[in-house]
Order: sequence, then structure tokens, then C-alpha cells
Amino acid sequence: GDSVTQTEGLVTLTKGLPVMLNCTYQTTYSPFLFWYVQHLNEAPKLLLKSSTDNKRTEHQGFYATLHKSSSSFHLQKSSVQLSDSALYFCALSEMGTGGNNKLTFGQGTVLSVIP
Amino acid sequence: EAAVTQSPRSKVAVTGGKVTLSCHQTNNHDYMYWYRQDTGHGLRLIHYSYVADSTEKGDIPDGYKASRPSQENFSLILELASLSQTAVYFCASTRWGREQYFGPGTRLTVL
Repeated sequence: GDSVTQTEGLVTLTKGLPVMLNCTYQTTYSPFLFWYVQHLNEAPKLLLKSSTDNKRTEHQGFYATLHKSSSSFHLQKSSVQLSDSALYFCALSEMGTGGNNKLTFGQGTVLSVIP
Repeated sequence: EAAVTQSPRSKVAVTGGKVTLSCHQTNNHDYMYWYRQDTGHGLRLIHYSYVADSTEKGDIPDGYKASRPSQENFSLILELASLSQTAVYFCASTRWGREQYFGPGTRLTVL
């Protein structure tokens, strides 16, 4: 079945530094990848999405590129802010024939930004 | 932005009791989902539905039932609540091929 792997459970960074959160996936269908962000005691919200190979997508200073050759969709930001502290989920949706529109979530990475 | 509401927002239940969590969306979305989230962990799919009057099992359906009486409403039912079902429950909705929109969550504590 489908799977999503986020290798970091917790990332702690000083404000202003760059960040990359890793996401790799496995699927037999055409992949549609998402990054969701969840602030404390809130619902997950969409941050980025992509189904286009090798095209960078950006939102709110975050960016990611879907690389089908390496099955990756890493999330990056050049300069983190205190307000970026949150739980980040990578998620995979099956979009091809036989796909069921379900999301498979990674375990999540907590990003903690310190002054 | 798409609107998904959940009720109640918080509930304390007794072991062995029946619990019903409700979800309502005004987005005209076909797909609706129930997830649970345990502290500091990811989201796990319990049940989902792609049409009214039909539900499908997700990855962890044991101990839960679901009901989709209309396109807008999707309920999660715990017939015999157990301590292990203490968690935060999120409902979500979407159309085919689009991102999911999540409700604010219901914090369930089973004592």
C-alpha cells in the first residue's frame, strides 16, 4: 500500500535560519502530494500541494518540488520565523486509475523555532 | 474558504457509553472523512464516505461506526467507548482530486 515517510520527528532551529523537512513516499498510482501545517490546538491547514514533476510550488515563504524520480517532496524555507513553530504533515493522495481519493499521512515533524 | 464544522468541540464520556460526534460541511463536497489524532502523532483514517448513505472503512475502523445521512452530514459513532479512544477527532471534506478541508476537531476524553 501507499506510505509516506517523514524522517525527522522534531526540528529545532534558531529564527532566521533555513529549514528543510524531508518527505518521501511510495505509491503505485500517480502521486498528488500535500504539505499540511497544524498549529497548537488548531486543525491542519493546507500549506502546499503538487502533482507536477520537477515544478517548484510556493506559499507563505515555504516551497517544495515534487521529484517523482526520487519519490520526494521536501518542504523548505529560507528563513524561519517564530510563527512557523508547528506540526508539519506530508500527505499523499492517489490520483490515478483505481485511486480512492484518500490521504496517507506521514507521522509529522514538529518544527520549533527559538529566538 | 471551505467550511467544516464539528460538534461537540469537547466531550467527556464514560467507559462503555455511547458517543456520537457530528460533522457538517457547506462546501458541496462529495467526500468526507473521520480521522483520529493522538497527542503529538499523525492523523489516522477511521471511516470515509464518497456519497450519502454509504460509508467505507479506513485504516483503523475497529470500535467505530459511521453514518452519512446526507451529503452535508457525517457522524462518527462509538457504541461502547473505551479508554483507548481518548483522542482528538477531525472531520474533513473534499472533492475528487482536491485538498481536504478539516474541521476544528473534537477533543474526546473517555474516563
